[in-house]
Amino acid sequence: NAGVTQTPKFQVLKTGQSMTLQCAQDMNHNSMYWYRQDPGMGLRLIYYSASEGTTDKGEVPNGYNVSRLNKREFSLRLESAAPSQTSVYFCASSELFQLYYSGNTIYFGEGSWLTVV
Amino acid sequence: DQQVKQNSPSLSVQEGRISILNCDYTNSMFDYFLWYKKYPAEGPTFLISISSIKDKNEDGRFTVFLNKSAKHLSLHIVPSQPGDSAVYFCAASAEGGSEKLVFGKGTKLTVNP
Repeated sequence: NAGVTQTPKFQVLKTGQSMTLQCAQDMNHNSMYWYRQDPGMGLRLIYYSASEGTTDKGEVPNGYNVSRLNKREFSLRLESAAPSQTSVYFCASSELFQLYYSGNTIYFGEGSWLTVV
Repeated sequence: DQQVKQNSPSLSVQEGRISILNCDYTNSMFDYFLWYKKYPAEGPTFLISISSIKDKNEDGRFTVFLNKSAKHLSLHIVPSQPGDSAVYFCAASAEGGSEKLVFGKGTKLTVNP
């Protein structure tokens, strides 16, 4: 049972290059998320998709775009990478968007380490 | 402005003793709280949660306590084991929405054999 799978695990980019982080979940979850984690910081939400066909900005969306390709897949694109985007990126999913009423939680992938030089 | 604060960056305890990790929050609208554990080079994994209608939730060795008046929650691990050594994140959600989930900066727990 893979859960949430994200690729690539490691990537080095030059400033101005573009790349796409891929994410897929096999838990039939409705909601998917992209977070970033910087040293000494908590996880911050970049974009989310509450359900297939919808996407919305999170706390730190600038410099990113997302695509909810289907129920399973949610990709994150950096159009023109900047050193400030050096971070660890986590894709995540949850069965339902409303955590409180479902007693639900968010399940995370293993992370993608991105360095922009 | 940090809405969820974990004021202790690190904590060290002896195997078999109790570990207490603390978390303070400022937003009175938070109504659902979660704890995640993270090992190096892995994604966070869910540990335990509590809703604002409760003041305690237990799951095996893990217990979360919520003090709404003090806007404080804590995670107790009893007994602590070396495998519990990890970074623990506290997270809080307002109105139960996952897009409003706010994470603390984490506390690194080291359990010494």
